[in-house]
Amino acid sequence: DAGVTQSPTHLIKTRGQQVTLRCSPKSGHDTVSWYQQALGQGPQFIFQYYEEEERQRGNFPDRFSGHQYPNYSSELNVNALLLGDSALYLCASSLVGRGKEKLFFGSGTQLSVL
Amino acid sequence: DAKTTQPPSMDCAEGRAANLPCNHSTISGNEYVYWYRQIHSQGPQYIIHGLKNNETNEMASLIITEDRKSSTLILPHATLRDTAVYYCIVTVHGSGNTGKLIFGQGTTLQVKP
Repeated sequence: DAGVTQSPTHLIKTRGQQVTLRCSPKSGHDTVSWYQQALGQGPQFIFQYYEEEERQRGNFPDRFSGHQYPNYSSELNVNALLLGDSALYLCASSLVGRGKEKLFFGSGTQLSVL
Repeated sequence: DAKTTQPPSMDCAEGRAANLPCNHSTISGNEYVYWYRQIHSQGPQYIIHGLKNNETNEMASLIITEDRKSSTLILPHATLRDTAVYYCIVTVHGSGNTGKLIFGQGTTLQVKP
């Protein structure tokens, strides 16, 4: 049973460019959450997708957007990249329902903005 | 902001128990205590969670004080592979809440031979 998979593992972009990161949730999971982790910091919640809709959002600008597909996979898009967007981007999946309240994280995509 | 306070770092000898404290003095009655850990270059990994009773699983034990204002994660026999950043998080259950966790700085546990 594959866990949460993210692609690519590493990415280098320049300021002003746009980037798309991808996530496949753990088999059977229907909810995907995205986190940004700056160096030396804990992960920060970006947003969560369930039933192909954004359900919750953290304190991130509109440059950060996402999508969830019918097969539950998800994308994170960041427009107009800034140097400060350099971070590890983590995807986590879960299953809505009582007794299933824990997240499974992928290994992340390391984004470097030059 | 995170609703928990943890020491920034701790050391533990290999084979000994590692006791990681967490303060959550403003915890609400419907908030659970969760512990995750993050080994270098990996995503966080779920360890254990509880509401008010002590909990144990194959990885660790969670001891929550009676007033629920603090808790301790216990790794009974720490190994070098337990070296990681440990995060204590409080959160409510319910639709939409599972995915939104507020991480603090965590405790960096260094297990030494």
